[in-house]
Amino acid sequence: DAKTTQPPSMDCAEGRAANLPCNHSTISGNEYVYWYRQIHSQGPQYIIHGLKNNETNEMASLIITEDRKSSTLILPHATLRDTAVYYCIGWGAGTASKLTFGTGTRLQVTL
Amino acid sequence: NAGVTQTPKFRILKIGQSMTLQCTQDMNHNYMYWYRQDPGMGLKLIYYSVGAGITDKGEVPNGYNVSRSTTEDFPLRLELAAPSQTSVYFCASYGAGTGGRGNQPQHFGDGTRLSIL
Repeated sequence: DAKTTQPPSMDCAEGRAANLPCNHSTISGNEYVYWYRQIHSQGPQYIIHGLKNNETNEMASLIITEDRKSSTLILPHATLRDTAVYYCIGWGAGTASKLTFGTGTRLQVTL
Repeated sequence: NAGVTQTPKFRILKIGQSMTLQCTQDMNHNYMYWYRQDPGMGLKLIYYSVGAGITDKGEVPNGYNVSRSTTEDFPLRLELAAPSQTSVYFCASYGAGTGGRGNQPQHFGDGTRLSIL
């Protein structure tokens, strides 16, 4: 599994875009970049994933650099309910099928 | 569509007692997983299964047992509960789908909060 590095914490004002960075310089060519979040020790919630191209869904956008060594999760209009720990994970074929959760980024959305 | 369902949500055990944490999924996923999460830490894999009748150890399997007799169910058993097993336990499932393994997310249950006193 790719080793990922994320800042331990970030703040964001409600209504503004939250940009969460992740470094995954050791990611292999067949590993996807996944983002999950965890709110108040609930089960991890899937947000988005991508391989090479940028991706967008109803929750967020994922920007992956051309060399695939880093990515940014964008929550376009953060709300208080987006306060959570966000995990960036490299996962794909050839791994042991488990997701390796690091310590993630604790995003605090404030009024 | 219920997704991944875990029961019970909370449980308190005495040292030495045994119990089974239940996990069932209704998405016809082949892969199922058990993770534990200690306070302030990331998730650690206990056991996983790639299909009915097939299970394998994860990072922290000691003190636990699993079975997978059906696609839907993946129970986790604690035989002799110890204080070190106080944790939140998450079950997850995954279906390979199209596009190769890794192109579908794992789906998680809401967890079982277990305290051993």
